[in-house]
Amino acid sequence: AQTVTQSQPEMSVQEAETVTLSCTYDTSESDYYLFWYKQPPSRQMILVIRQEAYKQQNATENRFSVNFQKAAKSFSLKISDSQLGDAAMYFCAYRKSGNTGKLIFGQGTTLQVKP
Amino acid sequence: DAGVIQSPRHEVTEMGQEVTLRCKPISGHDYLFWYRQTMMRGLELLIYFNNNVPIDDSGMPEDRFSAKMPNASFSTLKIQPSEPRDSAVYFCASSFYKETQYFGPGTRLLVL
Repeated sequence: AQTVTQSQPEMSVQEAETVTLSCTYDTSESDYYLFWYKQPPSRQMILVIRQEAYKQQNATENRFSVNFQKAAKSFSLKISDSQLGDAAMYFCAYRKSGNTGKLIFGQGTTLQVKP
Repeated sequence: DAGVIQSPRHEVTEMGQEVTLRCKPISGHDYLFWYRQTMMRGLELLIYFNNNVPIDDSGMPEDRFSAKMPNASFSTLKIQPSEPRDSAVYFCASSFYKETQYFGPGTRLLVL
């Protein structure tokens, strides 16, 4: 069975600095998708970034980028120029390509941004 | 376009009562998912539909839980009878084909 692990329950970063959140996953599939979702105190789940496993290029969305290491089954999120609004819980998620739409989530990392 | 809409946003009920959660997916999306979030178990998929047909309900905890999707723009998740351990945030999400899932704001359920 596929699993997603986020080993950092909490992280903190100074405003304007850079922080990296870690995620590892376990799968025997070769084709899949990986996601980072943000959950602020409002509890709304917001998509931050998405990576297709067949793409070697790391995905980037403005200040957010990933380091996707397929062989190591690692998918970290880098937030550059951190802002107070980035404070939230971040979830890493995996989805197998194919018929199933099931997302498997990690435990989450709470990010604190210090002014 | 409006995002996924869920109602109610908050629900407080007493043990034994029936609870109905509602979801309107994004127009044009053909997949609909129900998730539950708790401190103990994190985010877990309960059930999902494709073109209004339930595909995988293996995450539904027990027979007290049921979900329906009578048409492409509406789904319900019902708990009858409710128990305190059902207290959680319930999310509905939708997607087009196998693309990215977009989540609703969630319903925070408290069963006393």
